[in-house]
Amino acid sequence: DGGITQSPKYLFRKEGQNVTLSCEQNLNHDAMYWYRQDPGQGLRLIYYSQIVNDFQKGDIAEGYSVSREKKESFPLTVTSAQKNPTAFYLCASSIEGRLNTEAFFGQGTRLTVV
Amino acid sequence: GDSVTQMEGPVTLSEEAFLTINCTYTATGYPSLFWYVQYPGEGLQLLLKATKADDKGSNKGFEATYRKETTSFHLEKGSVQVSDSAVYFCALNRGTGNQFYFGTGTSLTVIP
Repeated sequence: DGGITQSPKYLFRKEGQNVTLSCEQNLNHDAMYWYRQDPGQGLRLIYYSQIVNDFQKGDIAEGYSVSREKKESFPLTVTSAQKNPTAFYLCASSIEGRLNTEAFFGQGTRLTVV
Repeated sequence: GDSVTQMEGPVTLSEEAFLTINCTYTATGYPSLFWYVQYPGEGLQLLLKATKADDKGSNKGFEATYRKETTSFHLEKGSVQVSDSAVYFCALNRGTGNQFYFGTGTSLTVIP
């Protein structure tokens, strides 16, 4: 079955550590996205990528980094520079450049700083 | 810039009540419009979509009509069930740049 897989589902990080969240899709989508969701709030865009080896900052990119070396994969690194990383992180993908296409979401990774 | 505005929650309804969640948008051109649903601890799932003016999206008893004259895409269901308890997000996509714009979400709780 085609879809998006995020791992791990739960992640605990000590202060000062970098952690990487995995996102893999087998939908053959060009565009991929990372969103952050805080309790009771909407989705905020961290980074997005429309094509391999290219990505753009979203609204809250500070303290995060990404790479897009393969079409299927778009990992997100939460660096120690991110002062408040505890949140629910969602990865999504879509067909690039098509108006009527929806975004497909993974199941999310809940990151907690301990 | 493009944006989506949803009615504030939370919304609490009794089972079999009528549901309306308001959504209005600001966008140039003719965006596609979507409703997503999120159950606790999970990602977002597409509930329904409409891609042009006057289109009606429908799924699982939910409906929404793309009204360009009022820039709205209100979600409705005639008789809600306890299993409909979730957070609902309205979203738009203009296609160019492929960015999606989401509302802040509306939490719905249905009580027996």
